[in-house]
Amino acid sequence: QITLMESGPTLVKPTQTLTLTCTFSGFSLTTAGVGVGWVRQPPRKALEWLADVYWDDVKRYNPSLRSRLTIAKDTSKNQVVLTMTNMDPVDTATYYCVHRPYYEFFDYWGQGTLVTVSS
Amino acid sequence: DIVMTQSPLSSPVTLGQPASISCRSSQSLVHSDGNTYLSWYHQRPGQPPRLLIYETSNRFSGVPDRFSGSGAGTEFTLKISRVEADDVGVYYCMQATQFPVTFGGGTKVEIK
Repeated sequence: QITLMESGPTLVKPTQTLTLTCTFSGFSLTTAGVGVGWVRQPPRKALEWLADVYWDDVKRYNPSLRSRLTIAKDTSKNQVVLTMTNMDPVDTATYYCVHRPYYEFFDYWGQGTLVTVSS
Repeated sequence: DIVMTQSPLSSPVTLGQPASISCRSSQSLVHSDGNTYLSWYHQRPGQPPRLLIYETSNRFSGVPDRFSGSGAGTEFTLKISRVEADDVGVYYCMQATQFPVTFGGGTKVEIK
């Protein structure tokens, strides 16, 4: 049974760096084809893909946010960490951790964590 | 980036009746490997999205067979054969054929 859980701050100030951790179970990020990523959703708005990391350590980022994002995996802890620099109120959103096989769809989602950016 | 356009924005439906959602892409979603990486998601209020359909027409594990996907090229459709109360929420299409992944704006399904 695949599960993913996001953790991190619920409130960050403008210009600060956000660090989110995804802790997962039920699969290994050393298995060929497996990826873990992040998708966000501003309140009452649509979904936006942010980044993925794969079993072979390939990393992909949304070009619109590339300069601000870093994704990394820790296979020993079954965790993936996303950092986003220079946070702005427009980055207020629910951030979801997702399981993504072979660069295709997102088949399992965490419950999400709401991050508010405000001074 | 490929733009995904869904219609309608909102769809009031009667319980037990069919519903249909359209998704149009700004470019063909046929990948060079011959597959079409179009998927559909359902998001109930306060919940994360869940995968319904992948590669245009394949139902994900546990998805009821009243959900079906079809289409090709740039035009895709999600159909619910008989709407149940549990089906309310927002439906999103997503393409993963071309980098970066992009989602449609969503279609809200509500009961009349």
